[in-house]
Amino acid sequence: DVKVTQSSRYLVKRTGEKVFLECVQDMDHENMFWYRQDPGLGLRLIYFSYDVKMKEKGDIPEGYSVSREKKERFSLILESASTNQTSMYLCASSLQVGSYGYTFGSGTRLTVV
Amino acid sequence: DAKTTQPPSMDCAEGRAANLPCNHSTISGNEYVYWYRQIHSQGPQYIIHGLKNNETNEMASLIITEDRKSSTLILPHATLRDTAVYYCIAENAGNNRKLIWGLGTSLAVNP
Repeated sequence: DVKVTQSSRYLVKRTGEKVFLECVQDMDHENMFWYRQDPGLGLRLIYFSYDVKMKEKGDIPEGYSVSREKKERFSLILESASTNQTSMYLCASSLQVGSYGYTFGSGTRLTVV
Repeated sequence: DAKTTQPPSMDCAEGRAANLPCNHSTISGNEYVYWYRQIHSQGPQYIIHGLKNNETNEMASLIITEDRKSSTLILPHATLRDTAVYYCIAENAGNNRKLIWGLGTSLAVNP
């Protein structure tokens, strides 16, 4: 069964910490995405990548960075965590050509205290 | 990218068909209609997509009007496990970069 795996289901971090959220897909997909989801705001795109070492800003990139050193892995980095970054973080992947839908991970619920 | 409009919530009796509407009146000719659902505390799950013709798979059917300004997702025999938020999205199939997500329809399937 094809999968997008996020390293942690729940995470609690302190304000000011550097936080790494990891995402791995086993479908050989070119595109990978990081979203955050908050009540009443829906899914908002943070960053995406359409190739190794390539990245593009989404709608809300401030306070985040990403890394894609290998095709299967896409990392989201919170440089200095703040309480307003408490959220559900969702990773997704998709094929480059044609469209067969996005596959999402189960999400990481991050709480910054 | 076309914006979609969905009712915020719907109810359906278990075993009955659930018909979820979506309005996408500004959709362009090369934009597909996608449907996803999100069960509580999980990531969204792809259901189905279509361009012009009606589509059916093991999960659902998608009916797109002839003018493509609206569509309906049909779950033919809803079960309690179909309780979820359903998202309708219009997107150019050649642009796999990102989708624009609304707030979806929260479907409650009642016993």
